[in-house]
Amino acid sequence: DQQVKQNSPSLSVQEGRISILNCDYTNSMFDYFLWYKKYPAEGPTFLISISSIKDKNEDGRFTVFLNKSAKHLSLHIVPSQPGDSAVYFCAARLRVFPLGGSGNTGKLIFGQGTTLQVKP
Amino acid sequence: GAVVSQHPSRVICKSGTSVKIECRSLDFQATTMFWYRQFPKQSLMLMATSNEGSKATYEQGVEKDKFLINHASLTLSTLTVTSAHPEDSSFYICSASVVGGAGNQPQHFGDGTRLSIL
Repeated sequence: DQQVKQNSPSLSVQEGRISILNCDYTNSMFDYFLWYKKYPAEGPTFLISISSIKDKNEDGRFTVFLNKSAKHLSLHIVPSQPGDSAVYFCAARLRVFPLGGSGNTGKLIFGQGTTLQVKP
Repeated sequence: GAVVSQHPSRVICKSGTSVKIECRSLDFQATTMFWYRQFPKQSLMLMATSNEGSKATYEQGVEKDKFLINHASLTLSTLTVTSAHPEDSSFYICSASVVGGAGNQPQHFGDGTRLSIL
């Protein structure tokens, strides 16, 4: 049962344009959603996250949108750069402690990844 | 930023060999470390959650006697693949989370270990 899905295995965009990566989930017990970027033979690098109580989080060129009713989130990269070319993983974190607990380090459920290619 | 070091980066060995992989948090203390496995063109699959000073929690379908995890300190966790066979060949990645915090601490990943069993 794939709780986190990235239905597009690949995406190609032109440099300077917007890249939109999508992610769907099924479990209502996820409390945080994260995006990671991964190059071949390296570990994932954290990009940006969003709490389940928010609908948008922005950090520079990266914006994550969350639509809880649709159980859908997306990562927008604008403007896209050739250096953004990598595999992007959406991850969802299961709530471990009751609301308000500190040090919540719940496990992550990853999507299958989307390979982004930004063409010069 | 938080740095996680994983060693070795690549291992090639004969079937039946036991292989130990180390995961260290270099500039922060991590009460919790996670071990993942990734097959080609697939997602990262969580194998186990490792807490310092206690037994690891394994995900369903992961053999704890096959994949031994030791979390000896707040900066070191090890994964030992015992009596490895070709089907254990995979990319193994660890991650670590910062101690405490306000409730939202992303996991920081090592660069992974490519294990090839001949």
